[in-house]
Amino acid sequence: QITLKESGPTLVEPTQTLTLTCTFSGFSLTTSGVGVGWIRQPPGKALEWLALIFWDDDKRYSPSLRSRLTITKDTSSKQVVLTMTNLDPVDTATYYCVYRSPSYLLEFGGPGTLVTVSS
Amino acid sequence: QSALAQPASVSGSPGQSITISCIGSSRDVGAYDHVSWYQQHPGKAPKVMIYDVTSRPSGVSNRFSGSKSGVTASLTISGLRAEDEAEYSCSSYSNFNTLNYVFGTGTKVTVL
Repeated sequence: QITLKESGPTLVEPTQTLTLTCTFSGFSLTTSGVGVGWIRQPPGKALEWLALIFWDDDKRYSPSLRSRLTITKDTSSKQVVLTMTNLDPVDTATYYCVYRSPSYLLEFGGPGTLVTVSS
Repeated sequence: QSALAQPASVSGSPGQSITISCIGSSRDVGAYDHVSWYQQHPGKAPKVMIYDVTSRPSGVSNRFSGSKSGVTASLTISGLRAEDEAEYSCSSYSNFNTLNYVFGTGTKVTVL
């Protein structure tokens, strides 16, 4: 069974940097075609894909947020970390970690974590 | 890249069928068969209902079906039930700027 759990701060001040950690189980990030990514959802709004890191360390970012995002992995610890710089209140959202299967499917496996950007 | 366009809301009576559209472009829905549909109840994480345009994960009711024509993907729910009331979002693989994913604007399904 694939599970992913997001962790990080619930409140961040504007202009600060957000660091979120995804701890996963039930699969290996060394398997060909596998990836772990991040998706966010502002309250009452649509899902937005943010970033993805693959088994071979290839990284993909949302074109609109590329300059603010960094995704890294620690395969042995089964963790993926997303960093987002220069936060703004519009970045307030529930952030989800997702599993990307070799067949391109994104699967949500955790409850998400609500991050509020406010002073 | 723009979000895939979905109607804001769709409603139907129990037992009826409804269809939700997802309009993309030649760089996403029109280019790949990696279109997925997610169901999301309030306060819950999204759940995959359809992947690769027409495939259903194990455990998902066969009342849910998907299709695609050109740059438009569709999700049909037949035999509508009260528990189908939720938010539905489409997603597609995309080659806009770089290979990535794009989500739809979301559709609220109401069972009357």
